[in-house]
Amino acid sequence: NAGVTQTPKFQVLKTGQSMTLQCAQDMNHNSMYWYRQDPGMGLRLIYYSASEGTTDKGEVPNGYNVSRLNKREFSLRLESAAPSQTSVYFCASSEFGGNSPLHFGNGTRLTVT
Amino acid sequence: GQQVMQIPQYQHVQEGEDFTTYCNSSTTLSNIQWYKQRPGGHPVFLIQLVKSGEVKKQKRLTFQFGEAKKNSSLHITATQTTDVGTYFCAGRQAGTALIFGKGTTLSVSS
Repeated sequence: NAGVTQTPKFQVLKTGQSMTLQCAQDMNHNSMYWYRQDPGMGLRLIYYSASEGTTDKGEVPNGYNVSRLNKREFSLRLESAAPSQTSVYFCASSEFGGNSPLHFGNGTRLTVT
Repeated sequence: GQQVMQIPQYQHVQEGEDFTTYCNSSTTLSNIQWYKQRPGGHPVFLIQLVKSGEVKKQKRLTFQFGEAKKNSSLHITATQTTDVGTYFCAGRQAGTALIFGKGTTLSVSS
């Protein structure tokens, strides 16, 4: 099993460009999450999807959009990238929301110049 | 909004010394989870605590959940170089998603 797969691993964008981070899980999990990790800030929740067909804002949703394409896939879109969005982005999934362990992908390191 | 505070931010120990990190919430939590992230890696789930006053052990690691379900701790006995990394707690109020603390980064010198 691959677990949680994120693409791409690295990306450099110019300010104002757009991109979509892809995430897929093969564990038949119901819930999926996007976190960003910045030095000294821990992991901050951007958006989550408790189940297929639903999405909710987390702690830092501004500047991002998400799509729960199906049960397996949860994408994160930056419509107009800003330097403040330079970060490491982690996708995670869990079987039953916050009562189950989160399984993380390997992360996407994004730099916005 | 819900906040999860974690201290200390950094801790350096000599191999064989003990280590403790503390997690405090401003609100009562339904459950708390602990994760470990090795340098350059992704967070990996260690354990979940659900009951008031719960204590769980994994080899040299001891996890506690406070009686009021607002605080938790992770204690490592006799640290080893393999314990190096950042330890995160993550708490959840009923009906909300997990919120992570900022983590405690542990370094160990031999």
